[in-house]
Amino acid sequence: GQQLNQSPQSMFIQEGEDVSMNCTSSSIFNTWLWYKQDPGEGPVLLIALYKAGELTSNGRLTAQFGITRKDSFLNISASIPSDVGIYFCAGPPGQTGANNLFFGTGTRLTVIP
Amino acid sequence: DTGVSQNPRHKITKRGQNVTFRCDPISEHNRLYWYRQTLGQGPEFLTYFQNEAQLEKSRLLSDRFSAERPKGSFSTLEIQRTEQGDSAMYLCASSSRGGLVRGYTFGSGTRLTVV
Repeated sequence: GQQLNQSPQSMFIQEGEDVSMNCTSSSIFNTWLWYKQDPGEGPVLLIALYKAGELTSNGRLTAQFGITRKDSFLNISASIPSDVGIYFCAGPPGQTGANNLFFGTGTRLTVIP
Repeated sequence: DTGVSQNPRHKITKRGQNVTFRCDPISEHNRLYWYRQTLGQGPEFLTYFQNEAQLEKSRLLSDRFSAERPKGSFSTLEIQRTEQGDSAMYLCASSSRGGLVRGYTFGSGTRLTVV
């Protein structure tokens, strides 16, 4: 079955440091979405990517659609305490007609002030 | 619009009891999704509605689960004869056309604990 593996599983960083995380798939994705989930809340969309090689920014966040279409990367620059949460990659499964998003295993980020 | 609303936020129930959750999507969204999220995992797809029609169900949606969206607006998810393995966060999301590529809007979820 489809698998989206995220790395690292968790990170502990000092405030002000940059963060990098990635997501790899066992199959090709045509869209990559990055979500952030705060404790006790639903995921919130951060960035959407639609083309292999695409680099998209949203404030301090930058995400890239890997050229193999089997991976994606998210970078956070100059982290702040409110960046704490779980970051998920997601995308529609490869089969046509599917109407759902498949989510990765998540990267838990802790920012130490 | 206040986003996707889910009620209740928390539910504790005894094993074997039935529970029902409600989701009110963003009013102009005709697509509604239910997901389940267990501790330490990403959300997993349960079912999808377009207007009032339930168009897709995952194999995670056992016979004890039923979802409805009677008038194409709010939706309910019922779990009958709850089991401890049903303990999870149940997330509802909605989107307009193109939600698969533009992303959904999720609610805050209903956390179910079966004791």
